[in-house]
Amino acid sequence: QVQLVDSGGGVVQPGGSLSLSCAASGFSLSRSGIHWVRQAPGKGLEWVAYILSDGRKEFFGDSVKGRFTFSRDLSKNIVNLHMISLRVEDTAVYYCAKDWEWGFDSWGQGTPVTVSS
Amino acid sequence: QSALTQPPSASGSPGQSVAISCTGSSSDVGGYNHVSWYQQYPGKAPKRVIYEVTKRPSGVPDRFSGSKSGNTASLTVSGLQADDEADYYCSSYAAGDKWVFGGGTKLTVL
Repeated sequence: QVQLVDSGGGVVQPGGSLSLSCAASGFSLSRSGIHWVRQAPGKGLEWVAYILSDGRKEFFGDSVKGRFTFSRDLSKNIVNLHMISLRVEDTAVYYCAKDWEWGFDSWGQGTPVTVSS
Repeated sequence: QSALTQPPSASGSPGQSVAISCTGSSSDVGGYNHVSWYQQYPGKAPKRVIYEVTKRPSGVPDRFSGSKSGNTASLTVSGLQADDEADYYCSSYAAGDKWVFGGGTKLTVL
């Protein structure tokens, strides 16, 4: 059974950094890409980033390009999203989602990030 | 401002059909058959109900159907039921290796 568990959210000051984790079970991250999608309070969904299954290419939305990066630990089947230079507008619930057929298949439960002084 | 345009709200009575539109451009909806639709209940993660414009994931009722014409995709929910009341988002792969969402439509079952 495919399952994603995202974690690592919290409260951080503007300009700070935070790392989110997405732990996968029921499938291998070496065979499936992972997206991150966020949702600001009371707002819609926004695609944030995507890493290919082979880990060789990463894609980022314009609002986070240059500030967010990926890492993976295939032995633990975990993908991490590293976020630096955080802004108030990065405040959102962050979801990881399994890529399949050019979209977001299974989703994690979401982890909240609050950027505030 | 979202890249894809959806009506903010839609409604229908139980048993009726409702269609939700999603308008983009030739760089996203019109250029690729990679349109998906997601259902989201308050406080919950989204769930995909349509992928590749018309396909339904396993377990999604056939009351949910998708279509596309030009730069506009549509989700139709037939035989409306109370638990169809939720927010619905369209999404498309877009030129430049990115994905874009619509602003979401709140579906109310009267």
